[in-house]
Amino acid sequence: ETGVTQSPTHLIKTRGQQVTLRCSSQSGHNTVSWYQQALGQGPQFIFQYYREEENGRGNFPPRFSGLQFPNYSSELNVNALELDDSALYLCASSLAEDTEAFFGQGTRLTVV
Amino acid sequence: AQRVTQPEKLLSVFKGAPVELKCNYSYSGSPELFWYVQYSRQRLQLLLRHISRESIKGFTADLNKGETSFHLKKPFAQEEDSAMYYCALRAHGGGFKTIFGAGTRLFVKA
Repeated sequence: ETGVTQSPTHLIKTRGQQVTLRCSSQSGHNTVSWYQQALGQGPQFIFQYYREEENGRGNFPPRFSGLQFPNYSSELNVNALELDDSALYLCASSLAEDTEAFFGQGTRLTVV
Repeated sequence: AQRVTQPEKLLSVFKGAPVELKCNYSYSGSPELFWYVQYSRQRLQLLLRHISRESIKGFTADLNKGETSFHLKKPFAQEEDSAMYYCALRAHGGGFKTIFGAGTRLFVKA
């Protein structure tokens, strides 16, 4: 059984560009959540996917979007990147919507 | 508004001393509260949840609905407890959403 893995580990993008971050859920997990963690802050909930449907969203603009695939892996897409989007992006998977979440190691995004 | 507040950014104690990491929350419904921990160079992981009412690594946390608090306690701190601790609340309604506090860094001195 493998844990939650995220790719890439780090990346640098230019303001205005688009980025896609990827998350591979832990085996058997059908729920994935994404978080943004700015420096010195706790993780902020972006959204949650359950069986390929978005079923919860935090206070993030529509340029933050996601997908969950039939194998329950997931993508986070961010359009029109802004400098403030620079952060650590965390993915967490769980067996169901309300069970323990297991976190990935994160993707560090820097927007210049 | 749903909010989790951890008033201390840093808490430093000596080994063997008692530890209390404070957490207050704001939520109109019946909350589910959690403590997460992140050790150096490791990923964020669940430490305990209030519905389990269990002790993990000597830590306990009691939900006090009157004071809207969920403080994390340990009677005798160990050096290996040094880590970043996050209090979190899971909100229901329109799906599930977990709200984290800003975190408290615990440093246990020898």
